Amino acid sequence: EAGVAQSPRYKIIEKRQSVAFWCNPISGHATLYWYQQILGQGPKLLIQFQNNGVVDDSQLPKDRFSAERLKGVDSTLKIQPAKLEDSAVYLCASSLYGREGQPQHFGDGTRLSIL
Amino acid sequence: SQQGEEDPQALSIQEGENATMNCSYKTSINNLQWYRQNSGRGLVHLILIRSNEREKHSGRLRVTLDTSKKSSSLLITASRAADTASYFCATVGRGYQKVTFGIGTKLQVIP
Repeated sequence: EAGVAQSPRYKIIEKRQSVAFWCNPISGHATLYWYQQILGQGPKLLIQFQNNGVVDDSQLPKDRFSAERLKGVDSTLKIQPAKLEDSAVYLCASSLYGREGQPQHFGDGTRLSIL
Repeated sequence: SQQGEEDPQALSIQEGENATMNCSYKTSINNLQWYRQNSGRGLVHLILIRSNEREKHSGRLRVTLDTSKKSSSLLITASRAADTASYFCATVGRGYQKVTFGIGTKLQVIP
């Protein structure tokens, strides 16, 4: 099966500019996650979708970050305006929904550098 | 916030040796998962252990879970140079199953 696709792979922008990342999860996966991973740290959950509804966005800086999942499939994460501390890798993951827990499948991420 | 804390943060061993990584967490969980991340890549799921399980095996991997101590360990036996990567534990909470990753253990296996 095809894995989680993310684009772009790399992005360099100046602070205060805007940027968007795209994610195509594995077909049939109801749950989609966006993580921020700063160098040397573990992934931090930004937002979790169940189909096209938001389950958890408690750690999403909503003054500058937004995310949507159209028709419960693809998703876009946007940052506007970007700050220096947003430099990180943005990872998308998807999983089947299951009460007993399901493994997450990750894309290779988008590495964002803010100048 | 990151619930899991891996220990040690870095580990360097010779090829063929065993590697043990530990993870401690704070709140009750539905399950705990271990992931590997190679440099510049996404995370790859290794193994999932549910809260009512105590031990699980997968190939050269052995995971234990002690819910009374809120800790888990990952053992990689007969390590290979290809096992060089960062390893993360992820706790999955009850209810809507919030996932929280730890800070990771960076493993280096020297050929």
